[in-house]
Amino acid sequence: VQLVESGGALVQPGGSLRLSCAASGFTVSNDFMTWVRQAPGKGLEWVSVIYSGSSTYYSDSVKDRFIISRDTSKNTVYLHMNSLRVEDTAVYFCARDLGGQDEVWGQGTLVIVSS
Amino acid sequence: QTVVTQEPSFSVSPGGTVTLTCALRSGSVSATSYPNWYQQTPGQAPRRLIYSTNIRSSGVPDRFSGSILGNKAALTITGAQAEDESDYYCVLYMGSGFWVFGGGTKLTVL
Repeated sequence: VQLVESGGALVQPGGSLRLSCAASGFTVSNDFMTWVRQAPGKGLEWVSVIYSGSSTYYSDSVKDRFIISRDTSKNTVYLHMNSLRVEDTAVYFCARDLGGQDEVWGQGTLVIVSS
Repeated sequence: QTVVTQEPSFSVSPGGTVTLTCALRSGSVSATSYPNWYQQTPGQAPRRLIYSTNIRSSGVPDRFSGSILGNKAALTITGAQAEDESDYYCVLYMGSGFWVFGGGTKLTVL
């Protein structure tokens, strides 16, 4: 069971980016998948979740700017990030089954929002 | 505004016992908050120690234990070792699909 995040990059404020979380060893559509971020030198912040039934939820800090989705054919979860702000700079982790017995985290991907 | 609060820092002597706590700014932590505890060293992904209040994740030494103390979740390290020096985070389920992490505790072993 493994999660591999990718897509992190340097982007200008107001720009967009799509992060990917490729899963192996399990099927993403059978579990709930979560994105968590960590700004440099700061704590962990819950960002978004997609449930097996396709319900999605977002933190107030990213609501209306980020969209979580999944592609079952690629067994991958995405985080579409729009209207990026300097304060979105962080390492973004994806996690399977946050808080549950089968929880697994990826190693993270770095997003830097700067002009 | 920090909804879930943890001690910013704590210190313990090698071999000693320390209890870190995780509280709600308003309200009580209970089993239905499904408290989880994580250990994180710089540059690494978090390592989950405890889930559902008091269940140790696979491979976690039994010197780590979780509980509810009063109206808070607690992580106790009994017989602290040098390698336990790390940042510790709790996360609580707030309902309606939302989880919130605490601000983290920096534990020093000296």
